[in-house]
Amino acid sequence: GENVEQHPSTLSVQEGDSAVIKCTYSDSASNYFPWYKQELGKRPQLIIDIRSNVGEKKDQRIAVTLNKTAKHFSLHITETQPEDSAVYFCAAPNPRLGAGSYQLTFGKGTKLSVIP
Amino acid sequence: GAVVSQHPSWVICKSGTSVKIECRSLDFQATTMFWYRQFPKQSLMLMATSNEGSKATYEQGVEKDKFLINHASLTLSTLTVTSAHPEDSSFYICSASYTEAFFGQGTRLTVV
Repeated sequence: GENVEQHPSTLSVQEGDSAVIKCTYSDSASNYFPWYKQELGKRPQLIIDIRSNVGEKKDQRIAVTLNKTAKHFSLHITETQPEDSAVYFCAAPNPRLGAGSYQLTFGKGTKLSVIP
Repeated sequence: GAVVSQHPSWVICKSGTSVKIECRSLDFQATTMFWYRQFPKQSLMLMATSNEGSKATYEQGVEKDKFLINHASLTLSTLTVTSAHPEDSSFYICSASYTEAFFGQGTRLTVV
């Protein structure tokens, strides 16, 4: 099955700085890469995703880049704010189940702390 | 966006008893739902895939006789933790696929 590696496990940045979290995946057939933000005791919240036909996607302060050759994708948060503090997970679906089946393998998570 | 509702949000039960958790897709039909477990400070781990009208598919290491899954309709999947023990205490989350994965609110299970 899919194997997703995520690093770093913790990340502290000063408010206003940028944060970058990186993930690698193992199955070259994977074609959808979501990023989730999870606050304590809450469900994961999709913040951005990218599909394999594009290399970069941006939504205001958040961007995701994808390198299919190297099988890695990254989350970029610019102008960080204290409310960005949370645990972030990357994920990849099982490509063998076909399009539209979001059976996900998650990375181990990154605890982001934004220091005011 | 689509809504997946999970109930209860939290439950405390005695060791040896069973607990049922419900997962409903409120505004779309889901032939497949997924159940994840998340221990404190860890990631979400897939436990099983729930298939409407057929048996669930369990991940390696997950006891199918302990975690009973029923997907009797296109909008409802249930997870029953049987003979619960303290080590089953965890955060259980369901998801259903639509345009993306939609997650339930999660259930915090504490076994005492």
